Amino acid sequence: AQKITQTQPGMFVQEKEAVTLDCTYDTSDQSYGLFWYKQPSSGEMIFLIYQGSYDEQNATEGRYSLNFQKARKSANLVISASQLGDSAMYFCAMRELSSNDYKLSFGAGTTVTVRA
Amino acid sequence: DSGVTQTPKHLITATGQRVTLRCSPRSGDLSVYWYQQSLDQGLQFLIQYYNGEERAKGNILERFSAQQFPDLHSELNLSSLELGDSALYFCASSARGPVSEAFFGQGTRLTVV
Repeated sequence: AQKITQTQPGMFVQEKEAVTLDCTYDTSDQSYGLFWYKQPSSGEMIFLIYQGSYDEQNATEGRYSLNFQKARKSANLVISASQLGDSAMYFCAMRELSSNDYKLSFGAGTTVTVRA
Repeated sequence: DSGVTQTPKHLITATGQRVTLRCSPRSGDLSVYWYQQSLDQGLQFLIQYYNGEERAKGNILERFSAQQFPDLHSELNLSSLELGDSALYFCASSARGPVSEAFFGQGTRLTVV
């Protein structure tokens, strides 16, 4: 079964506007972590933000914030004040802590294109 | 720069051949993960090593194998290559602990012709 679902294959956003990328997850674990990564056209995977399942506050890192709704099992990424350099593919990932391996399961990704 | 080094960056080889991809994790990271990214399968977890021992296996084919050496660098061996093995192969490393993010290398783009 798919653990991470990203339903938006592609999105366009105007420069300086905010964009929300959807991510829902499926787990029976009580303890888990949620991550967002950015993959620009050059190919590297860049870590953006982390949210733990027991964290009461939504995570924020600069222009990135994570809208964590535990009951709905969603962890949406909000990018504020979009810049041209934000054009990239964005992946949501989850780590289930019941396993001892800490591997990340990734969603299919969302391509964001920022327009000038 | 994530601190994870992968070599080579690009590799073109023929079907039936064998290749070795190399990964040096960030200094101090004991865990190494290998992922395959292809257009049709997305990012798939292949295998994880922790301090030299295999910790978890994902969707790794029998034709593929990996190991982690005492200096913590890791190698992914791909043999009897098929056209469908063409993909971007990532290595990632993380410190011990569940909240540690995984830092990815730049990937090795493998093209099988």
